Amino acid sequence: DTAVSQTPKYLVTQMGNDKSIKCEQNLGHDTMYWYKQDSKKFLKIMFSYNNKELIINETVPNRFSPKSPDKAHLNLHINSLELGDSAVYFCASSQGSFSGANVLTFGAGSRLTVL
Amino acid sequence: QQQVKQSPQSLIVQKGGISIINCAYENTAFDYFPWYQQFPGKGPALLIAIRPDVSEKKEGRFTISFNKSAKQFSLHIMDSQPGDSATYFCAASRTNRDDKIIFGKGTRLHILP
Repeated sequence: DTAVSQTPKYLVTQMGNDKSIKCEQNLGHDTMYWYKQDSKKFLKIMFSYNNKELIINETVPNRFSPKSPDKAHLNLHINSLELGDSAVYFCASSQGSFSGANVLTFGAGSRLTVL
Repeated sequence: QQQVKQSPQSLIVQKGGISIINCAYENTAFDYFPWYQQFPGKGPALLIAIRPDVSEKKEGRFTISFNKSAKQFSLHIMDSQPGDSATYFCAASRTNRDDKIIFGKGTRLHILP
């Protein structure tokens, strides 16, 4: 039973298209994240939601729009895809409590290739 | 202030050797320092973590050494094995749910059989 699952695992699409990546966690965590990992393996946070509320919004083009219908789900929609959007996108979750450590549980990643 | 600097970018170690990866941070408010391990095709996973009230933490072959005054911490992998070949990320954060975790740029470790 996968703790953080994201779909699809692979996505190949043309420039200009719109695509979505879905993420679900069954850990009961309060906080969910989207990270982007480029070809050099750099992990860059994009967004963070706590109980459906946006709490971190890094400098990301507004073509990227996260949506959290409930605290177990965080989806990422990307409009007008560009070549530079090609990367692996990771969803993650954490308990995010004040007293506990901020331990991230990552999904397996969604590899997006824009042609 | 928010950066975590990690070195080296890549590392090749013979089987049985010691692998050492170093990280440095600037923000003295950080109070949690985890290391994540990522295998090809997988997401990063927590390997080991330390808080600044101790100078060392050991779990099996993996040890974190922490130097609070120098604002540096390192991961040591003893008796390195080919199965340890992966990308390792150091990170830092404050124990506050609104604070993001800052990752280093990663070290690709390859253990020669």
